[in-house]
Amino acid sequence: KAGVTQTPRYLIKTRGQQVTLSCSPISGHRSVSWYQQTPGQGLQFLFEYFSETQRNKGNFPGRFSGRQFSNSRSEMNVSTLELGDSALYLCASSTGLAGTHNEQFFGPGTRLTVL
Amino acid sequence: QQQVKQSPQSLIVQKGGISIINCAYENTAFDYFPWYQQFPGKGPALLIAIRPDVSEKKEGRFTISFNKSAKQFSLHIMDSQPGDSATYFCAAIRNSGYALNFGKGTSLLVTP
Repeated sequence: KAGVTQTPRYLIKTRGQQVTLSCSPISGHRSVSWYQQTPGQGLQFLFEYFSETQRNKGNFPGRFSGRQFSNSRSEMNVSTLELGDSALYLCASSTGLAGTHNEQFFGPGTRLTVL
Repeated sequence: QQQVKQSPQSLIVQKGGISIINCAYENTAFDYFPWYQQFPGKGPALLIAIRPDVSEKKEGRFTISFNKSAKQFSLHIMDSQPGDSATYFCAAIRNSGYALNFGKGTSLLVTP
């Protein structure tokens, strides 16, 4: 079974631009969660999607948004990029909602650099 | 704020030694405590997890010890190997909670 895939793996953008990241979950998984990983803050939850609906959202500004498609693939978008948005963005998929303690399988991440 | 505090930030252990990573939490509603292992260029992968109704769980060389009254849990890696060199994250989540709360990670280096 293929794992979680994320595209692109690396991105370089400049301040003020916007970016879209993509995540393809493991086949059969309906929940997709997004995390931001930085050296200073560690792993921080962005949002979770299940059956095309955002179920939960972390403490991030409205510039961070996402969506999920009927095939469970998910995208996240960051508008008006700031230098502090430079991070590794991780996507994780699971069969059920994270709160039901289903194992989350992480992708390799997208490394975003904002110049 | 950080709901799970992890220490140490980095750890160097000789091959064959025991690696110990500690975590503490405040929210008594947490009821599931997984540990993740992350290699460079990869996403975190679930290593082992424990629920608070048991005090210890062992899988191969990896053991979680859990102290509910102290609100602490730790990962012990016995007979540490160079291949164990990675970053380890503890995490916690409550039933019907919406997200894993991660510690800030421990970078483990096992020297030959």
